[in-house]
Amino acid sequence: NAGVTQTPKFQVLKTGQSMTLQCAQDMNHNSMYWYRQDPGMGLRLIYYSASEGTTDKGEVPNGYNVSRLNKREFSLRLESAAPSQTSVYFCASSEGTGIEDGYTFGSGTRLTVV
Amino acid sequence: LAKTTQPISMDSYEGQEVNITCSHNNIATNDYITWYQQFPSQGPRFIIQGYKTKVTNEVASLFIPADRKSSTLSLPRVSLSDTAVYYCLVGDVNSGYSTLTFGKGTMLLVSP
Repeated sequence: NAGVTQTPKFQVLKTGQSMTLQCAQDMNHNSMYWYRQDPGMGLRLIYYSASEGTTDKGEVPNGYNVSRLNKREFSLRLESAAPSQTSVYFCASSEGTGIEDGYTFGSGTRLTVV
Repeated sequence: LAKTTQPISMDSYEGQEVNITCSHNNIATNDYITWYQQFPSQGPRFIIQGYKTKVTNEVASLFIPADRKSSTLSLPRVSLSDTAVYYCLVGDVNSGYSTLTFGKGTMLLVSP
């Protein structure tokens, strides 16, 4: 059982380039999330999808877009990367709200924008 | 939204019991208390959750006093592999999906 799979694991982008971070879960969870983690900042929610077909902004959505492609997949797109987006990105999923049943996280994508 | 406060770091030695306390003075009636563990280069992992009194599982125990304004995560007989960041979260099951906020957590360093 793979859980939550994120690709790629590492990426280096030049300022202004675009890319999509992929996330897939095989637990039939309804909800999916994208977080970023910066040194000394904890994890901050970028976007989430409560169910297939819906997406909502989190704490730090500027500069990002998301697509809930189907129940399994939730992608995060950077249209024009900036150095401030250098971070580790985590995808997570939960069966319900995640408060009672917990989040399952992927292993992360380490992104560097130069 | 209940804010949490926990120590930035703690040190321990192998075999000791470690207690990490989290303050959440403005916790609401519907809020649950959840703890996550994060190892370096990995995503956080759910370890325990409670509403009141005491909860125990194979990994840890969670103690919540009657006023629920704080909670204590207890790790029995820690080993080197328990070195990680521990996050305390408070969330309301009725307030939607964005209410789980991960603060900076507590960095636990276990030494031989």
